[in-house]
Amino acid sequence: DTEVTQTPKHLVMGMTNKKSLKCEQHMGHRAMYWYKQKAKKPPELMFVYSYEKLSINESVPSRFSPECPNSSLLNLHLHALQPEDSALYLCASSVRQNTGELFFGEGSRLTVL
Amino acid sequence: QQQVKQSPQSLIVQKGGIPIINCAYENTAFDYFPWYQQFPGKGPALLIAIRPDVSEKKEGRFTISFNKSAKQFSLHIMDSQPGDSATYFCAATLGADGLTFGKGTHLIIQP
Repeated sequence: DTEVTQTPKHLVMGMTNKKSLKCEQHMGHRAMYWYKQKAKKPPELMFVYSYEKLSINESVPSRFSPECPNSSLLNLHLHALQPEDSALYLCASSVRQNTGELFFGEGSRLTVL
Repeated sequence: QQQVKQSPQSLIVQKGGIPIINCAYENTAFDYFPWYQQFPGKGPALLIAIRPDVSEKKEGRFTISFNKSAKQFSLHIMDSQPGDSATYFCAATLGADGLTFGKGTHLIIQP
């Protein structure tokens, strides 16, 4: 299994809603990532988990809250988002943190109304 | 800020031609240079990668050329096909700091 699976594929939410994005991998990778991608732009790193511990937080607003329940799962909890947070949210994993070989999921397309 | 500068922003090539995408970097401490390919509606996928002690790497129709002294690297696609139409991102890594992406090249291969 060489896939990173993300759910849901599409999400529409209001600014007062609470929702979560989920990511799963069964490749035994010990690093997992959340990226945000706007149209026609490169992915921007949000968070990195290494061995289930938060390793990097790229000064992301607290309305985004990551969680790594175990080595295969990664969640991104969303609360009180703004319309400018609408984007494609990509999950990725790698064997370990200090490698450039990331496996990306297909992303969750988020629209904030 | 560490940067990777990518050009051109967009590129149109006839089928069978050889599109070339160029990237330049500033930080000589970067230690790995991957290229990612992204189709519309999909996540990026690792295409090919090179380390700075190697000047060229080929995988199928894709070749990376690396010029360490000039701090530049490029992607060549041989015998390009319409199915190669995608956005291509060069990137560089430095230890555990994660990927630094270029801004991307939107490539169209015309039949």
